[in-house]
Amino acid sequence: NAGVTQTPKFRVLKTGQSMTLLCAQDMNHEYMYWYRQDPGMGLRLIHYSVGEGTTAKGEVPDGYNVSRLKKQNFLLGLESAAPSQTSVYFCASSLGAGEQFFGPGTRLTVL
Amino acid sequence: RKEVEQDPGPFNVPEGATVAFNCTYSNSASQSFFWYRQDCRKEPKLLMSVYSSGNEDGRFTAQLNRASQYISLLIRDSKLSDSATYLCVVRMANQAGTALIFGKGTTLSVSS
Repeated sequence: NAGVTQTPKFRVLKTGQSMTLLCAQDMNHEYMYWYRQDPGMGLRLIHYSVGEGTTAKGEVPDGYNVSRLKKQNFLLGLESAAPSQTSVYFCASSLGAGEQFFGPGTRLTVL
Repeated sequence: RKEVEQDPGPFNVPEGATVAFNCTYSNSASQSFFWYRQDCRKEPKLLMSVYSSGNEDGRFTAQLNRASQYISLLIRDSKLSDSATYLCVVRMANQAGTALIFGKGTTLSVSS
């Protein structure tokens, strides 16, 4: 099992550009999450999904959109990137309320 | 007041030392508690869950005090490989879904 995978691993964008981060899991988990991690801030939840076709806002959802069209995939979109969105983005999945399994992260820089 | 607070450290200890990390949480309705470990430039991974009666996993002992809203992690006989950032994590009962609230982490550096 690959667990949770994320693509791309690194990306540099210019302000105003758009991009989509892809998260995939092969553990048949119902729940999936997107977090961002910034120095001195800890991990903060952006959006999450409790099942295929459902999404919900987390703590810091502004400037991001998500979609969960297939159970195994959770996409995070930035429609118009801003320097404040420079961060490390982690995707995670869980079977229920227990352990969350994280992907390796995507390092995004917005210039 | 932040929901989950930890001493950021760094804690610098020699091999073989015992070290303890503390964490406080603000929401008394919190349901579940965890310690995650994060190595430099890597993803967080679950170290152990924290149960009300306290629990031990090898050299690691976790304690929970609901009355004081306090969680601790004790590492005995520290190894070089224990060097990492330790994240105190709480799941809030009043949040939809199963989102976790992370502390900012405590950094441990074990030296030979």
